[in-house]
Amino acid sequence: GIQVEQSPPDLILQEGANSTLRCNFSDSVNNLQWFHQNPWGQLINLFYIPSGTKQNGRLSATTVATERYSLLYISSSQTTDSGVYFCAVERSGSARQLTFGSGTQLTVLP
Amino acid sequence: DTEVTQTPKHLVMGMTNKKSLKCEQHMGHRAMYWYKQKAKKPPELMFVYSYEKLSINESVPSRFSPECPNSSLLNLHLHALQPEDSALYLCASSLLPSGNTIYFGEGSWLTVV
Repeated sequence: GIQVEQSPPDLILQEGANSTLRCNFSDSVNNLQWFHQNPWGQLINLFYIPSGTKQNGRLSATTVATERYSLLYISSSQTTDSGVYFCAVERSGSARQLTFGSGTQLTVLP
Repeated sequence: DTEVTQTPKHLVMGMTNKKSLKCEQHMGHRAMYWYKQKAKKPPELMFVYSYEKLSINESVPSRFSPECPNSSLLNLHLHALQPEDSALYLCASSLLPSGNTIYFGEGSWLTVV
C-alpha cells in the first residue's frame, strides 16, 4: 500500500510563531486532505488539496504532486491550534481507501 | 451542511454485550466508511460502503458487523468484543467516485470492560 510520512512528529511553539508541517507520500494520489484532530477526537477538514496551493485564513497548504509531498503552513499560531495534524491520501486507482500519516502533535504555548 | 452525525458519543460495554454504533449523513453521499483509531495512532480503515454495498473489508474480525440500511445511514454492530477493541470509532462519508473530500463525524468512544 501507499506510504505516508509526516514530519516533524512533535512541534512546540510559542503563540504567534509560524510553522511548516510536511507530508511525503510514496505513490501518485487523487486525494490529499489535511485534518486537525482536536482533543475531543473530532477530525476537522482543513484542506482538500491533491495538487496546487490553497489558503484559508492563517492556514495555507501546497501539494507538489509530481514530487509527492505536501506542506501545511500555520502562521501566527494560537493556543487553539494545538492538537494533532494528519495528512491523509488516497492512491490513484484505489477504491476510496484513505491512508493516514502518523500525524504531527502541535502544542502552542501562551 | 457538511455534517456526519454519530451516536452514541461514548459507550461502555461488557465483553458479552451486543451494541451498535450509528452514523447518519444527509449530504447525498453514496460512500460511507468506518475507521478505528487507537490512542496516539492514526485512524485505520475498517469498512467502505459504496452505493449501500460493502466494497472494502480490511480483514476486520467478524465481531464487528457493518450494515448500511439506506444511503443516509451506516451502523456498526458490536458483539463479543475484547478489551483491546476499545478505541475511537469514526464514521465518514463522501461523494463517489474517488477524488472527493471525505468528511468525518465526531466519533464514538468505545470502552470494552
